[in-house]
Amino acid sequence: DSGVTQTPKHLITATGQRVTLRCSPRSGDLSVYWYQQSLDQGLQFLIQYYNGEERAKGNILERFSAQQFPDLHSELNLSSLELGDSALYFCASSEAGNMNTEAFFGQGTRLTVV
Amino acid sequence: GQNIDQPTEMTATEGAIVQINCTYQTSGFNGLFWYQQHAGEAPTFLSYNVLDGLEEKGRFSSFLSRSKGYSYLLLKELQMKDSASYLCAASPQTGANNLFFGTGTRLTVIP
Repeated sequence: DSGVTQTPKHLITATGQRVTLRCSPRSGDLSVYWYQQSLDQGLQFLIQYYNGEERAKGNILERFSAQQFPDLHSELNLSSLELGDSALYFCASSEAGNMNTEAFFGQGTRLTVV
Repeated sequence: GQNIDQPTEMTATEGAIVQINCTYQTSGFNGLFWYQQHAGEAPTFLSYNVLDGLEEKGRFSSFLSRSKGYSYLLLKELQMKDSASYLCAASPQTGANNLFFGTGTRLTVIP
């Protein structure tokens, strides 16, 4: 158990809909990272938050947004969903403000868009 | 651009040694990570190499050559539970906010 909690584990929704994925980082970790893993694709970095502030953005679509709350949990919002958004979405946390240290990944949320 | 290459699949026998290679081309480089990911589960950290050379950690060792843009993960005394995907990831700079991951090498250990 990495200490990073993601909910829900599975999500099935229709095209055009909006979903929210939730992540609770390890106790004490200030950084939260969101990654997308599509079938046969490497993990793709979406966005990072550090202590409530957006710190870095990767290849995140405009239809996607995220935030980190005062209690440090984070939510990833995906809207106007398309079939191609079906993927595993991982959240990771680290103590430092960067990924040059060991990061701890949650179990992921498997999103299926039908 | 960023390019991380590793073989898609490998098969090895229980008790044997296997080497998983990774080559990288990134605009900026600080170090190279290896993560293990069992099917449908979270990636877990194995190693992080910043300096050239071999670092050993139990049955697993990781090697880095910065001049060649090359790394490998060496797994000894293979066990069935080592069947998993092994992800190579490059850190583009000191204090990097993200890693560039390869697509992973799916290792199957057979009896």
